[in-house]
Amino acid sequence: SQTIHQWPATLVQPVGSPLSLECTVEGTSNPNLYWYRQAAGRGLQLLFYSVGIGQISSEVPQNLSASRPQDRQFILSSKKLLLSDSGFYLCAWSPVDSDKTQYFGPGTRLLVL
Amino acid sequence: GQSLEQPSEVTAVEGAIVQINCTYQTSGFYGLSWYQQHDGGAPTFLSYNALDGLEETGRFSSFLSRSDSYGYLLLQELQMKDSASYFCAVRGAGGFKTIFGAGTRLFVKA
Repeated sequence: SQTIHQWPATLVQPVGSPLSLECTVEGTSNPNLYWYRQAAGRGLQLLFYSVGIGQISSEVPQNLSASRPQDRQFILSSKKLLLSDSGFYLCAWSPVDSDKTQYFGPGTRLLVL
Repeated sequence: GQSLEQPSEVTAVEGAIVQINCTYQTSGFYGLSWYQQHDGGAPTFLSYNALDGLEETGRFSSFLSRSDSYGYLLLQELQMKDSASYFCAVRGAGGFKTIFGAGTRLFVKA
């Protein structure tokens, strides 16, 4: 069966510090991968999605970037965090030939102080 | 632009039926999904409609009318554990990008 992992679960970082969040998927090949951000009590904002290694589409211009160095690994990064980067970051995957269903990881709660 | 609208909050009593509506405006349409999210947790998939009509999965049903750009999630025999946020989401132009609504917070009262 397929599983999706995200770490860390929570993170407190100072403004201006770098960020690296990692997401890995097991049990499937060539998944579509997604990064979302959710502010408290709000909906999900799509940040990046990827349909293959090295293929990244950015949905919102900001100080975040994403990379997909391996088929089932998706990394969200920032060189300098802003206060507004605080939120709940969710990684998700969907099967290679369908976006009918997305499966979400447990999320990383990021607080920038 | 692309947008989805759904009510921000709905309150219902245990055992009742509740309907959560979603209207969408997107460039291209492949399907409408519904997700449930409990506080502090990740969203989980509930249902998907690509064609007009009703899809039933246990106590949950979902309806789609593509001509009206409208869908709804119907929850029957409400239980306390159904208290959560419910998101509609549209798979639109490009096929591999899903846009989520802001979510409807459902409160189930005893």
